[in-house]
Amino acid sequence: QSVLTQPPSVSGAPGQRVTISCTGNSSNIGAGYDVHWYQQFPGSAPKLLIYSTNNRASGVPDRFSGSRSATSASLAITGLQAEDEADYYCQCSDSRLSVPVVFGGGTKLTVL
Amino acid sequence: QITLKESGPTLVKPTETLTLTCTFSGFSLVTNAVGVGWIRQPPGKALEWLALIYWDDDKRYSPSLQSRLTVTKDTSKNQVVLSMANMRPVDTAKYYCAYRDNGGSFLVWSQGTLVTVSS
Repeated sequence: QSVLTQPPSVSGAPGQRVTISCTGNSSNIGAGYDVHWYQQFPGSAPKLLIYSTNNRASGVPDRFSGSRSATSASLAITGLQAEDEADYYCQCSDSRLSVPVVFGGGTKLTVL
Repeated sequence: QITLKESGPTLVKPTETLTLTCTFSGFSLVTNAVGVGWIRQPPGKALEWLALIYWDDDKRYSPSLQSRLTVTKDTSKNQVVLSMANMRPVDTAKYYCAYRDNGGSFLVWSQGTLVTVSS
C-alpha cells in the first residue's frame, strides 16, 4: 500500500481531457516535495513525463500538464489520443518515512 | 546521451543473494547531486523503489527491504551494484536502474531485467 494514492484506472474518449490524481499527505506532497510523473507502456521501461510538478520532460507534448494543491498532485491530458493509453505513476519523497523516493500505485489509462 | 544497462542472473534460487550491476554512460557519479536508483516491478504490479546511491556515496534504502539490500558504486567503471540477500519467490520482478538528476526525478531508465526466483 503506497503512501501516494492513485486511482487504479481512468478512461476517456479520443479528444477528451482526463486527469489522474496522486493523493499524499503532509509528509510528502504536503511538505512541498517535488512531484514527478512517469508513463509506462506494456513491456517497456517507465519514461519521465513531468518533473517538479509541472515541467514537461524533453519531447513531451504540451497536451500533458501537471499541477498540485495542498496534499495532492494531478496529471492532466488534453486532446486524448489512442497512443496515450498506458500506465502512469507519480513519485515524491517522504519525510516521515525518511525516504527520497515513493511511488504511487499507478493508474491505467484506457482510451475508449 | 545517458544510457544505463543492468546485468546479472535472470534466475536465482530461494535464499540466494541476487547481485545486479548497472553500467552507465553519459554522466559521472561524481557530479554534484546526481544518483543512481534501483526500482523493481513485479509482473502486473506497480513500481517499487529499492535503493539510491548519491554522488557523495550517501546511500538510501527502502525501509521494508533495508536489511536485505546493499548498494555500492565504482566510479572508475561507471557501475553501480545492487545486492539483495535471501531472495524469495515474491521478489520475482523486473529490476531497473535509473539516473536520478539533481531535481530528484529519474530522468533515464534502463530497459530492465526480469529476475525470477524459483527452485
